[in-house]
Amino acid sequence: SQTIHQWPATLVQPVGSPLSLECTVEGTSNPNLYWYRQAAGRGLQLLFYSVGIGQISSEVPQNLSASRPQDRQFILSSKKLLLSDSGFYLCAWILLGRVNTEAFFGQGTRLTVV
Amino acid sequence: AQRVTQPEKLLSVFKGAPVELKCNYSYSGSPELFWYVQYSRQRLQLLLRHISRESIKGFTADLNKGETSFHLKKPFAQEEDSAMYYCALRSPHYNQGGKLIFGQGTELSVKP
Repeated sequence: SQTIHQWPATLVQPVGSPLSLECTVEGTSNPNLYWYRQAAGRGLQLLFYSVGIGQISSEVPQNLSASRPQDRQFILSSKKLLLSDSGFYLCAWILLGRVNTEAFFGQGTRLTVV
Repeated sequence: AQRVTQPEKLLSVFKGAPVELKCNYSYSGSPELFWYVQYSRQRLQLLLRHISRESIKGFTADLNKGETSFHLKKPFAQEEDSAMYYCALRSPHYNQGGKLIFGQGTELSVKP
């Protein structure tokens, strides 16, 4: 069965420090992978998506970057965190089908930048 | 641009009362719409798809193209329905990987 792992679950980082959040998928190949940020009052904002190794599309300009070094691995990074980067980050794998499109989400990472 | 709007941040009802969570979308073609739910301490998960015309946990949602709406309804709310609900629209740009665009979310609180 398909499984999506995301870690860490919580993270407290000082302003200016680097960030690396990791997401891995099991039970499928060549998945479409996504990073969303969940913010109060703003819903789920799509940050990045990837349809294959090395292929990254950015949805919004920001202080973050994403990489896909392996087929089932998706990483969200920052060289220097800002206070505004605080939030809840979700990795998702979206199965695209004619009738069975569905998104599978990781457990999420609560990032607090202090 | 495609957009999903959920006008209510919080909806509070009593057990047994009807529930309607509103969702409006902006898209000129034939939309593909979903409702996702996040229960406390659980992952965000699919509740239902409009294309399946299904009823899940007593919830239904009808696509109204004239009003560009996809409201989620349940005739008798239960306490276990308390959760965060997100309406989502699949991006029509399939060469972009089929993005899901989410609304702001509505927190449903069902009181005993």
